[in-house]
Amino acid sequence: AQTVTQSQPEMSVQEAETVTLSCTYDTSESDYYLFWYKQPPSRQMILVIRQEAYKQQNATENRFSVNFQKAAKSFSLKISDSQLGDAAMYFCAYRRRSSNTGKLIFGQGTTLQVKP
Amino acid sequence: KAGVTQTPRYLIKTRGQQVTLSCSPISGHRSVSWYQQTPGQGLQFLFEYFSETQRNKGNFPGRFSGRQFSNSRSEMNVSTLELGDSALYLCASRPEPAGSSEQYFGPGTRLTVT
Repeated sequence: AQTVTQSQPEMSVQEAETVTLSCTYDTSESDYYLFWYKQPPSRQMILVIRQEAYKQQNATENRFSVNFQKAAKSFSLKISDSQLGDAAMYFCAYRRRSSNTGKLIFGQGTTLQVKP
Repeated sequence: KAGVTQTPRYLIKTRGQQVTLSCSPISGHRSVSWYQQTPGQGLQFLFEYFSETQRNKGNFPGRFSGRQFSNSRSEMNVSTLELGDSALYLCASRPEPAGSSEQYFGPGTRLTVT
């Protein structure tokens, strides 16, 4: 069975600084997707960034980038130039590519605090 | 396009009762998934529906059930409620074929069981 682990329950960063959130996963499959989702206090979950396992290039979305290490089964999220609006709970998630399932397996989440 | 909508947003029930939660996906999305979010267990997958058929199911007891209608709207039902069923229930929809497409989440239904 696949598992996702986020070892940092809470992180804090100074506004305008850079922070990295860690995520490791375990799977025996070679083809899958990895995601980072953000859940602000309003509770609406939104996608931050996605990575397809067959792509070696790390995904980037504006201030958000990932460090995808497939052999190490590691998928960290880097937030550059942190803003107050980045404060939220961040979830790392895994999804199988095969069978076209939408089932996401989530980590426990990391609460990010941004200090002004 | 309107986003994923869930009704009701808040619900208080008593142990032993049953509850039905509703989810309307984004127009054109045919796949709907349900998740339970609790502080202790985190986000756990309940089930996924596509074209009125359950495509995948998580490790939840039979008290949890769902269905999908021809217009892709979905409902989930929890019978004989227990205190541990108190949670935020999230619904997510995505288009098909999905590929790497993201799932769009609704605001959730906060269920409190007393």
